[in-house]
Amino acid sequence: DAGVTQSPTHLIKTRGQQVTLRCSPKSGHDTVSWYQQALGQGPQFIFQYYEEEERQRGNFPDRFSGHQFPNYSSELNVNALLLGDSALYLCASFPGQGTHEQYFGPGTRLTVT
Amino acid sequence: EDKVVQSPLSLVVHEGDTVTLNCSYEVTNFRSLLWYKQEKKAPTFLFMLTSSGIEKKSGRLSSILDKKELFSILNITATQTGDSAIYLCAVEVPEAGGFKTIFGAGTRLFVKA
Repeated sequence: DAGVTQSPTHLIKTRGQQVTLRCSPKSGHDTVSWYQQALGQGPQFIFQYYEEEERQRGNFPDRFSGHQFPNYSSELNVNALLLGDSALYLCASFPGQGTHEQYFGPGTRLTVT
Repeated sequence: EDKVVQSPLSLVVHEGDTVTLNCSYEVTNFRSLLWYKQEKKAPTFLFMLTSSGIEKKSGRLSSILDKKELFSILNITATQTGDSAIYLCAVEVPEAGGFKTIFGAGTRLFVKA
């Protein structure tokens, strides 16, 4: 059983560009959360998707947007990249009903130059 | 503003020592407190605590929650070099049909051989 997978593993972008990160949840999970983890800090909650809708959102600007597909996979889009967007982006999944133990993917390391 | 504070931020011990990691929180609403271990990228789940005073135990690791004083501790006995990692504490905050997860900055533990 594959766990949570994310792509790409690493990404280098230039300021002002746009980026799309992808996440496939663990089998049987229908809810996906995205986090940003800057160096030396804990993960910061970006948003959560359930039934193809954004259910919760953290304190991130509108440049950060997402999508969930019918197969529960998800994308995170970031527009007009800033140097401060450089971070590890983590995706976590869990079943919408029942326990909220979240399973994390390996993350995408985004570097903005 | 919801926040989770961990202490110490970093810790260096020798193999065989016992360590106690602290987590305090201030949130508008509380569902559960979780502990994760992060070695390379993906945090891995350790414990979920919802009730005060009930110790959760897994091998050499144990954790307990005090909902009156708003804190939790994670104990690791007979530490090994493989315990070297970042330990993250997180609180689930219910919101409008869903929830968000607030992480602390983590405690960086280094166990010397």
